[in-house]
Amino acid sequence: AQSVSQHNHHVILSEAASLELGCNYSYGGTVNLFWYVQYPGQHLQLLLKYFSGDPLVKGIKGFEAEFIKSKFSFNLRKPSVQWSDTAEYFCAVRYGADSWGKLQFGAGTQVVVTP
Amino acid sequence: GAGVSQSPRYKVTKRGQDVALRCDPISGHVSLYWYRQALGQGPEFLTYFNYEAQQDKSGLPNDRFSAERPEGSISTLTIQRTEQRDSAMYRCASSGLAQETQYFGPGTRLLVL
Repeated sequence: AQSVSQHNHHVILSEAASLELGCNYSYGGTVNLFWYVQYPGQHLQLLLKYFSGDPLVKGIKGFEAEFIKSKFSFNLRKPSVQWSDTAEYFCAVRYGADSWGKLQFGAGTQVVVTP
Repeated sequence: GAGVSQSPRYKVTKRGQDVALRCDPISGHVSLYWYRQALGQGPEFLTYFNYEAQQDKSGLPNDRFSAERPEGSISTLTIQRTEQRDSAMYRCASSGLAQETQYFGPGTRLLVL
């Protein structure tokens, strides 16, 4: 079965530290890849997405992600986090031409940034 | 501009009651999606529509769950004879014609006692 794995459930780090969140998926065919974020008390918002082209994708708020097809990975990075980056982060994958309406999400990573 | 809206935001009901959850998509969005999110998990796909046509309902857990979008705009997710295991956050999203980015609403938190 197709799956999406996020490596860490909880991450705690200090302001100005670098952040990397792992995401792996299980399917070898065509995929669209997304990172969503949910700030406390808010709804899911899109951080960035990858459909094709340059595998290094830049999103909002200084986030970027790299698609590595050979590793089935789409890791999220930010060089220097701020307290306002405290949120839950979800990786999501849309598999194949038959499933374009369906996003499959990872379990999420709760990120806490301490001042 | 207005985003996806959902109502009610919170719903507490007793086991065995029926509930109806409403989603109002972004104006002009063709596609509408329903997800369910349990505590500590990511959203799980339930069903989606293009216009008024239900394209995929493979994620609906059983026949107590149904969804409709009769005029291709507002959608209702109905859960009949609710059970405690139905307690979750129910999320709605919409997207434009290209079915690219899905924009999410605030969700409805359902608690079945």
